[in-house]
Amino acid sequence: NAGVMQNPRHLVRRRGQEARLRCSPMKGHSHVYWYRQLPEEGLKFMVYLQKENIIDESGMPKERFSAEFPKEGPSILRIQQVVRGDSAAYFCATTPPAGYNEQFFGPGTRLTVL
Amino acid sequence: AQKVTQAQTEISVVEKEDVTLDCVYETRDTTYYLFWYKQPPSGELVFLIRRNSFDEQNEISGRYSWNFQKSTSSFNFTITASQVVDSAVYFCALIKAGGGTSYGKLTFGQGTILTVHP
Repeated sequence: NAGVMQNPRHLVRRRGQEARLRCSPMKGHSHVYWYRQLPEEGLKFMVYLQKENIIDESGMPKERFSAEFPKEGPSILRIQQVVRGDSAAYFCATTPPAGYNEQFFGPGTRLTVL
Repeated sequence: AQKVTQAQTEISVVEKEDVTLDCVYETRDTTYYLFWYKQPPSGELVFLIRRNSFDEQNEISGRYSWNFQKSTSSFNFTITASQVVDSAVYFCALIKAGGGTSYGKLTFGQGTILTVHP
């Protein structure tokens, strides 16, 4: 029973490039949460998605960041024109459809912007 | 708005000492869950415990124990007879309890860096 998967685990980008981070939920999980952990800080909520819907994006920066969770395939967090301040660990967490509040976390993607 | 405060930024102990990590939270919700996560040097998040706001019983799991006091909005975590492998960053987190479709974003504290020296 595979857990939450994220890839790549490490991603290096130069300023101005695009970063795509992928999150594959556990089997049977249809809710995805993305969190960002800046260096030496706690995790901060970014966005909550269900299949084909963004439920809450109150934690997303207004520009350059977008997220999707298509009907088929993983959830994608996309960062356009990355800047050094985007360097962080990005975690996704997933939950089953109903009644659970425990979020199962993936191993994270560590983004480094040169 | 929800808030979680871990006032201890760093704690350093010698192996076999007991250590308590503090967590204080703020919420207007009447039902909520509290969590502790461990983040070892490898970086992943390891779930340790979930506590429902209705259940104030303390819990013990091996060398770990948790003290939940709703009156003081605290959910402290104690490691007994600490070991070097306990060295990690520990996060306390809070989520509003949901019914029906699960919804909620975890609010994390800043984390406490625990270093256990041999």
